[in-house]
Amino acid sequence: DVKVTQSSRYLVKRTGEKVFLECVQDMDHENMFWYRQDPGLGLRLIYFSYDVKMKEKGDIPEGYSVSREKKERFSLILESASTNQTSMYLCASFNTGIEGRQPQHFGDGTRLSIL
Amino acid sequence: AQTVTQSQPEMSVQEAETVTLSCTYDTSENNYYLFWYKQPPSRQMILVIRQEAYKQQNATENRFSVNFQKAAKSFSLKISDSQLGDTAMYFCAFILYNNNDMRFGAGTRLTVKP
Repeated sequence: DVKVTQSSRYLVKRTGEKVFLECVQDMDHENMFWYRQDPGLGLRLIYFSYDVKMKEKGDIPEGYSVSREKKERFSLILESASTNQTSMYLCASFNTGIEGRQPQHFGDGTRLSIL
Repeated sequence: AQTVTQSQPEMSVQEAETVTLSCTYDTSENNYYLFWYKQPPSRQMILVIRQEAYKQQNATENRFSVNFQKAAKSFSLKISDSQLGDTAMYFCAFILYNNNDMRFGAGTRLTVKP
């Protein structure tokens, strides 16, 4: 089974701090994603990466950056955390298979609170 | 841009009964995939069912089936013989055939009552 592991389930940080959310997948997937999940808004894409050192902006990239130095790891960085970044963050990955679009596999999520 | 709409924020159903969750989407493209994901209270998102747009036959996975109406851009999920373990948030998702950008609906919170 594919395993997507997010480093923390709960995280509390202060306004202005630099915050790192880590995600690791163990199935050699090419594509990795960071979403934020807010009630009534569903999942909104922050950034995704289709290869090492490659990244693409999603719908809401402002205030975030990402890093993908190794294929298995995709990090989300809040450069200077603000209270409106309090949310649930979900990491996902999938491979582009010859059988067509494969479903995404998700991590357990990180509930981040910015005080 | 593609959008996905789930118009039912919350639904409930009695155990063993059938419930249908609705989803509509908007796209001008012809080749795409649709998914239903389930997020139980434990939070990990898991795939329920997948539908390729080029297939006319509706996908089925055990008690879960879809009603895919391509012309109407509708993709509803039917859960038969509802079980307590079906209690979860359900998200409808859409992705173009040649794109990595998956779009999600706002979700429907389903509660199965004993």
